[in-house]
Amino acid sequence: GDSVTQMEGPVTLSEEAFLTINCTYTATGYPSLFWYVQYPGEGLQLLLKATKADDKGSNKGFEATYRKETTSFHLEKGSVQVSDSAVYFCALIRDNYGQNFVFGPGTRLSVLP
Amino acid sequence: NAGVTQTPKFQVLKTGQSMTLQCAQDMNHEYMSWYRQDPGMGLRLIHYSVGAGITDQGEVPNGYNVSRSTTEDFPLRLLSAAPSQTSVYFCASTSALAVFFGQGTRLTVV
Repeated sequence: GDSVTQMEGPVTLSEEAFLTINCTYTATGYPSLFWYVQYPGEGLQLLLKATKADDKGSNKGFEATYRKETTSFHLEKGSVQVSDSAVYFCALIRDNYGQNFVFGPGTRLSVLP
Repeated sequence: NAGVTQTPKFQVLKTGQSMTLQCAQDMNHEYMSWYRQDPGMGLRLIHYSVGAGITDQGEVPNGYNVSRSTTEDFPLRLLSAAPSQTSVYFCASTSALAVFFGQGTRLTVV
């Protein structure tokens, strides 16, 4: 079945460091890919998305490129801030099939001042 | 515009008790779903509904029931709570490749 794999956390970085959180997926067809962020005590919020191969999603300084050849959607940010501390979830949605999302296990990021 | 509203935020149950987690959305979305979030496992789909009167099972449906009598409401019922159901539960409402989540319900079964 469809699945999403993320790098294990927690990830601890100093402020202004470069961030990469790896995400790879297994899916039939052509899924749309997403990154969601969960701040402490809150629900998940959409961070960015890409709906087809080679698309780049971006928001709040974060970027991710849909790479069909490597089935990946790695999240990157050039300079993290303390306020970026959160749990990040990679997810996919199967095309043309309802709207069921498949989530990765989440990666906890802690940014130290 | 409230979005997705879940109640309660916290709940402690004894094994064998039943309860209903409430979820309401005001965006007129047809598709709603319930997930549980457990450490290291991400979110797993419990049940979902593609519209009023239509529900279906997700990945982990056992021990839970749902109904969808209106577009706005999608309650999740625990029939006989078990410690394995200790988790954080999220209701979601979906439209056009965008998922809107509620704030979550932290449930502990002792």
